[in-house]
Amino acid sequence: NAGVTQTPKFRVLKTGQSMTLLCAQDMNHEYMYWYRQDPGMGLRLIHYSVGEGTTAKGEVPDGYNVSRLKKQNFLLGLESAAPSQTSVYFCASSYHPPESSYNEQFFGPGTRLTVL
Amino acid sequence: DAKTTQPPSMDCAEGRAANLPCNHSTISGNEYVYWYRQIHSQGPQYIIHGLKNNETNEMASLIITEDRKSSTLILPHATLRDTAVYYCIVRPSWNSGNTPLVFGKGTRLSVIA
Repeated sequence: NAGVTQTPKFRVLKTGQSMTLLCAQDMNHEYMYWYRQDPGMGLRLIHYSVGEGTTAKGEVPDGYNVSRLKKQNFLLGLESAAPSQTSVYFCASSYHPPESSYNEQFFGPGTRLTVL
Repeated sequence: DAKTTQPPSMDCAEGRAANLPCNHSTISGNEYVYWYRQIHSQGPQYIIHGLKNNETNEMASLIITEDRKSSTLILPHATLRDTAVYYCIVRPSWNSGNTPLVFGKGTRLSVIA
């Protein structure tokens, strides 16, 4: 099993450009998450999904959109990239729901995005 | 949300036990203690979690004090591959939109040959 994979691994964008980050998991997990990690800030939740066709806002959703058309995939879109969105983006999935006391999350390797 | 305090860095000799402390003096009765680690350039990896009893799995042991104000993660036989940043997380209750896992700065563990 590959676990959680992310595409691409690195990307450089110019301000105003758009892009989509792809997350895929082969563990048949219902729940998926997108985080960003900035130096000194820890991980912050952007959006999450509790099932195919559903998405919800996390802690820092502005400037991002997501879609979960297939259970195994969770896409993160930046419609008009800004330098403040320079970060490392992690996708994660879990078998148990986020409200569960047991919420082990499996993380992908991350996408390093730079917006100039 | 309960905050955690961890030493910024620690060294451990290869093959010895690594004991990583965490203080969480304001933890609430229903909040779990989670440990994750992040090896350089990789995503965080779940290690273990517990409420009040000591826990052990194939990766590590978690010792929680009786008053639950602190805990220790034990890697019984550290290897070079255990070099990583270790995060102690007190898991707050989930409210829609918030982050169930709040990662602080963690402890950077260096395992030395």
